[in-house]
Amino acid sequence: GAGVSQSPSNKVTEKGKDVELRCDPISGHTALYWYRQSLGQGLEFLIYFQGNSAPDKSGLPSDRFSAERTGGSVSTLTIQRTQQEDSAVYLCASGSDFAGELFFGEGSRLTVL
Amino acid sequence: GESVGLHLPTLSVQEGDNSIINCAYSNSASDYFIWYKQESGKGPQFIIDIRSNMDKRQGQRVTVLLNKTVKHLSLQIAATQPGDSAVYFCAETVGSNYQLIWGAGTKLIIKP
Repeated sequence: GAGVSQSPSNKVTEKGKDVELRCDPISGHTALYWYRQSLGQGLEFLIYFQGNSAPDKSGLPSDRFSAERTGGSVSTLTIQRTQQEDSAVYLCASGSDFAGELFFGEGSRLTVL
Repeated sequence: GESVGLHLPTLSVQEGDNSIINCAYSNSASDYFIWYKQESGKGPQFIIDIRSNMDKRQGQRVTVLLNKTVKHLSLQIAATQPGDSAVYFCAETVGSNYQLIWGAGTKLIIKP
């Protein structure tokens, strides 16, 4: 399909382990966002990529979180030494530029035991 | 700080009736507003947007109203259907700022 693809859809890990979450945005979209959503809550901004500009990392909750975007396309969100409070759905969204209409993936549900 | 909020966390509506979901915002500089729908287990989906130079915008079965005087945004859904069951989020931004400010969400429940 032509939508935003995220993997894995579900990830269960043990506290202290590292995890990587992947996002394949819509081809040609220059803007890419990562959000975190806890159960029954709203969206928490994590990081924003736009083209070749330096990403806005202001939403990353700690230095255990990092993200990269290779070749202006695929993005990986890495969480090191996972904690139970990291359990959430991690959503990726892409857009053609900032025009408000973002296309979201279905998210990666992370459970830290 | 500035934030977008919602009046009702949950809204129950009879199938076939019209639904009105409200959103209050506090940043008077915000000039672009968006509504998203999030169904269970899925990512949010764009519904409709409106710029501050407009008071009303209509889509298919949905209408967004903007009242800048009282900083209020609403989403009206006509003839609500079971498929409208979801959480609805409003979001705002200023100019072309990529930082969207998201509301907390309203859960719409459709009664048969």
